[in-house]
Amino acid sequence: SQTIHQWPATLVQPVGSPLSLECTVEGTSNPNLYWYRQAAGRGLQLLFYSVGIGQISSEVPQNLSASRPQDRQFILSSKKLLLSDSGFYLCALLLAGEYEQFFGPGTRLTVL
Amino acid sequence: GDSVTQMEGPVTLSEEAFLTINCTYTATGYPSLFWYVQYPGEGLQLLLKATKADDKGSNKGFEATYRKETTSFHLEKGSVQVSDSAVYFCALSEVDTGNQFYFGTGTSLTVIP
Repeated sequence: SQTIHQWPATLVQPVGSPLSLECTVEGTSNPNLYWYRQAAGRGLQLLFYSVGIGQISSEVPQNLSASRPQDRQFILSSKKLLLSDSGFYLCALLLAGEYEQFFGPGTRLTVL
Repeated sequence: GDSVTQMEGPVTLSEEAFLTINCTYTATGYPSLFWYVQYPGEGLQLLLKATKADDKGSNKGFEATYRKETTSFHLEKGSVQVSDSAVYFCALSEVDTGNQFYFGTGTSLTVIP
C-alpha cells in the first residue's frame, strides 16, 4: 500500500526566509499529488496539484510555488515567507482509478 | 461550481450521546462523497465514503448515506466516545472536474466523559 512522507514535521522560520517542504510517496507510481494548507482553526485550502512530473497547477496565486522533479516527489517552496504562510501543510495523493485521497502526516510551519 | 457546506462547530457532546454532523453539497455531475477525520496534530484519514446515490458508508460506528434528492451526506454515530474527539471534514470529488476534491470547512467535535 502507498505511504506518504512529509519532511520536516515542524518548522519555525523568520519572515522573509526561504522555504522548502518535501513530500515523497512510496508504494505507487504516477499518482496525482496535492498540496493543501490548513490555517489555524480553518478548513483546507488547495494550493497546488500535479498530474505528473513537471506538471503543476496552481489554485491560489500567492508567494508559494511547487515542483515535481520526480514521479514520487512533490516540493513546496517560497523565496520569502510571510506571516500569513503559517499553517499546517498537507500533502495528498490520488491513485489512478481510485476515488479517495490519501494524506501525509503534515508539516506544521510557524513564521515569526 | 462544486462545493461542500458543512455544519459549523465546535460541537461538544457527552460520552454516549448521539452525533449528527450535517453536510450538503453542490455538484454538476455525480460526485463521490467522503468523510475524513483529523486527530490533533495529525493528517487527515479517510473515515468513510459513498460513490453513488443511496450508498451508505460506514466505519468505526460512524455512518453516512448518500442522498441525491437532498444533496446531503450527514455523518452520524449512535454513541460517541472520548476518542472520537477530532475535526471531521466532508468532501466530494467528481470525475468531471478531474477528480478534484472539495472540502468543507471542518467541524470540531469534543466528547467529554
